[in-house]
Amino acid sequence: GAGVSQSPRYKVAKRGQDVALRCDPISGHVSLFWYQQALGQGPEFLTYFQNEAQLDKSGLPSDRFFAERPEGSVSTLKIQRTQQEDSAVYLCASSIRQAEAFFGQGTRLTVV
Amino acid sequence: KQEVTQIPAALSVPEGENLVLNCSFTDSAIYNLQWFRQDPGKGLTSLLLIQSSQREQTSGRLNASLDKSSGRSTLYIAASQPGDSATYLCAVKKDSSYKLIFGSGTRLLVRP
Repeated sequence: GAGVSQSPRYKVAKRGQDVALRCDPISGHVSLFWYQQALGQGPEFLTYFQNEAQLDKSGLPSDRFFAERPEGSVSTLKIQRTQQEDSAVYLCASSIRQAEAFFGQGTRLTVV
Repeated sequence: KQEVTQIPAALSVPEGENLVLNCSFTDSAIYNLQWFRQDPGKGLTSLLLIQSSQREQTSGRLNASLDKSSGRSTLYIAASQPGDSATYLCAVKKDSSYKLIFGSGTRLLVRP
């Protein structure tokens, strides 16, 4: 597609459930980022991939969060044993090296 | 640690007014600064990207300026329209990091 695509758009999970969020970046974009956005706040960095290599995961809030990009294109953000504080919008962005970042529509996760 | 602040947090203006949104950052060693627009329930749309060597960028009714030495950027919107109503976010990218560091945004309402 022409832009960054994320799925699902909305996800309701029961506390303790595992979830997987998908990101399809713009074709050819080497860099891929995941951000977490709490209500009324700006996005906060979670992790960064360059091709299939995860170069920075310093923003992942706990070891329950795991991200992968095995073939250097599609990425999955997995959250294990979800907690209420995980409720947020998860945004994916892609770019060519350090150029302008393009964002997807986000996945709104609600943990009940 | 880089911190980005946006003032005001919310702004309501009548249609047709020219307005200025402010963004400040604590560490002047930035690679670039980007302004985004976010509509409710949507992802981020890039508006303007200013490289650290530039002083300003213009796109249509939007003009963004950058003063690295004082750690400030402004987004000027001319002849505001109701369709400009959205949250505006600024984000900086440091020289040594690939991630964007965001402010909390300014929620703009342009009244017809």
